Amino acid sequence: DAGITQSPRHKVTETGTPVTLRCHQTENHRYMYWYRQDPGHGLRLIHYSYGVKDTDKGEVSDGYSVSRSKTEDFLLTLESATSSQTSVYFCAISVREGARETQYFGPGTRLLVL
Amino acid sequence: AQTVTQSQPEMSVQEAETVTLSCTYDTSENNYYLFWYKQPPSRQMILVIRQEAYKQQNATENRFSVNFQKAAKSFSLKISDSQLGDTAMYFCAFGATNKLIFGTGTLLAVQP
Repeated sequence: DAGITQSPRHKVTETGTPVTLRCHQTENHRYMYWYRQDPGHGLRLIHYSYGVKDTDKGEVSDGYSVSRSKTEDFLLTLESATSSQTSVYFCAISVREGARETQYFGPGTRLLVL
Repeated sequence: AQTVTQSQPEMSVQEAETVTLSCTYDTSENNYYLFWYKQPPSRQMILVIRQEAYKQQNATENRFSVNFQKAAKSFSLKISDSQLGDTAMYFCAFGATNKLIFGTGTLLAVQP
C-alpha cells in the first residue's frame, strides 16, 4: 500500500460540465502523475508534477489541466467534459528506493461523461 | 520517442503450468528501467517485477521472472506454477526520466 487515495472513485457527469479529480498521498513523494486507461491503449500519461506548483504535460494533455498547491495533493481538472474523456483515471506516485524509482498507483476513478 | 509493444492481446494457461508474456520496446536511452504490472479484475495496478537496464542478471520475484535481452530490446515475463489468482491484464512498461510508457497489455486467463 503506497498510501495513495483517489476521489471520487466513480463519477457520472454531463458533457460540458467541469470535473475535478483528486489524488492524495500520505508520504510526501515529489513526483505525482495522472494517467488515463482506455481499451486498446494501455495507460497514457496526461500530466505529471515534480513538486509544488511544478507540472508538465504528458502524451494526452489536451482538455485537461492540473494543479498542485500542496505536496500531498494533485488535482486533475476537465474544464468542460466531453464524451471522449470517459475513461478510468489513475494517479501514481514515484517512489525512490536507493537508486531506483518505481511508480505505484492509486485505485483509479471511473468517469462516465454522458 | 519510446514505444512499448505487447503483441499478445490474450493468452491462456492451465493451472500449475508455465507461461511467457512477450514485450519489446524501442528507445535510444541507455539508462532506463523496465516493469511488469498486473491489473486484476479489481482494476488495481500492482507492480510484479522490475529490471534495471544496467543489470545483466534477470530479475526474479518468487514465481515471476524476466528474460531481459538488452540488445534485442526484449523483456518477457515468465510465470511459473500458474495460479488462478494470476488471471489478470499484464502491462509491460518502460521507464526513463521519471516517466513511464506502457504497452497495450496482455490478458492472461489461468484455467483450472
